[in-house]
Amino acid sequence: DTGVSQDPRHKITKRGQNVTFRCDPISEHNRLYWYRQTLGQGPEFLTYFQNEAQLEKSRLLSDRFSAERPKGSFSTLEIQRTEQGDSAMYLCASRTQGSTEAFFGQGTRLTVV
Amino acid sequence: GQSLEQPSEVTAVEGAIVQINCTYQTSGFYGLSWYQQHDGGAPTFLSYNALDGLEETGRFSSFLSRSDSYGYLLLQELQMKDSASYFCAEGTGANNLFFGTGTRLTVIP
Repeated sequence: DTGVSQDPRHKITKRGQNVTFRCDPISEHNRLYWYRQTLGQGPEFLTYFQNEAQLEKSRLLSDRFSAERPKGSFSTLEIQRTEQGDSAMYLCASRTQGSTEAFFGQGTRLTVV
Repeated sequence: GQSLEQPSEVTAVEGAIVQINCTYQTSGFYGLSWYQQHDGGAPTFLSYNALDGLEETGRFSSFLSRSDSYGYLLLQELQMKDSASYFCAEGTGANNLFFGTGTRLTVIP
C-alpha cells in the first residue's frame, strides 16, 4: 500500500454512460497526476494538479474528460459519454513539489461494453 | 513534446546482469526516473538521475548521459521476482512526469 487510494478498483459501464473515479493522494502531497494505461503500454499522461490548480492537460484528452481537485486534497476524473476506446487502467499518482518519487495508486480498471 | 524510447522486451537468466536502455527527446529536461511495475500492480519508484553518471541502489543502478540523451537501468544478480515491466520517466520538481514505452523483463531459471 503506497498511501494513494483509488475508488472504484473496477468499473464496467455501457457505452455512452458517464463515469467518475476518485483518487485520495498522500495527504501532504501537493502534486497529483492522472494517467491512463493500456495493456503493454506505459502510463500516458492525462493531467496534473498542484494543490487545487490544474496546471497541465494533455492535448490527447478530449473534452469528454474532466478532472477536479476542489480543495487540493482528493481528485475526481470524469469521463462523459464513454466509448469503447476509453477502456483502460486509470492511474493516479502524487508527490511533493521537488520530490523525485511519485507514489501510484492501484488504479481503476474501466471496461466499456 | 516528449518521447522516451525503450526496447519492448528483454529476457535474462537468473543471477545474471541486464541493462535496459532509454533514449529520450524532450523540451526542458529535468531528470530521468525509473519505475518498476509488476503485472496487475502499480508502478513503483526505483531510482532517479538528475546529473550525468551512475546512481547505485542495492542491486539496481541507473546511469544518465545528458549529452547523449540516454540512460539505462542496470539490474544485477537477477531474481525471478525481478520479472516485471520497467519504465523510464522524464521530469520532476517543477515539471510533469512523462513515461517511456516500457520494457518487459522476463527472468528465466
